[in-house]
Amino acid sequence: NAGVMQNPRHLVRRRGQEARLRCSPMKGHSHVYWYRQLPEEGLKFMVYLQKENIIDESGMPKERFSAEFPKEGPSILRIQQVVRGDSAAYFCASSPPGQGATGELFFGEGSRLTVL
Amino acid sequence: SQQGEEDPQALSIQEGENATMNCSYKTSINNLQWYRQNSGRGLVHLILIRSNEREKHSGRLRVTLDTSKKSSSLLITASRAADTASYFCATDPFSGGYNKLIFGAGTRLAVHP
Repeated sequence: NAGVMQNPRHLVRRRGQEARLRCSPMKGHSHVYWYRQLPEEGLKFMVYLQKENIIDESGMPKERFSAEFPKEGPSILRIQQVVRGDSAAYFCASSPPGQGATGELFFGEGSRLTVL
Repeated sequence: SQQGEEDPQALSIQEGENATMNCSYKTSINNLQWYRQNSGRGLVHLILIRSNEREKHSGRLRVTLDTSKKSSSLLITASRAADTASYFCATDPFSGGYNKLIFGAGTRLAVHP
């Protein structure tokens, strides 16, 4: 039973380019969360999505960042016109439907973005 | 601001010793969870304790929760070199019905052979 799959694991971009990070949740999971982790820090919530719906994007920067979770395919976190401050590890987590706020999150291995 | 704050920030011990990490938080919670992160890897769930529970065990792990003090502790007994990792507490203070976890900055544990 595959876990949460994220790719790419490492991504290098120059300032001004776009970064696309992909996340396939665990089989049977329909809830996806994106978190960002700066070096030596904890994870910061960015966005929570269900299939075709953004439920909570209160942690997303208002510009340049967007997320989607289409009916078919992985969830995508898109960062346009990247800046050096976007360098971080981006983690995706999933949970099954109906769990609500009563259970654990299952994390992927993360995508590490480096902006030159 | 961080909901959860771990203490200490770093802990260095010898194999066989016990490791205790503490977490304090600010608002009411539904549950508190502990996760482990090995260097360069994702987070792995260790244990969840609900707000109406005071203590929970899982193997060599013991977690306590004191909602009156808004604090939790994670005890790892008889530590091993493989326990070397960062440990994070996470709380869900929201009532939106989903797992919008708030993580602390973590405790970096080093267990020396």
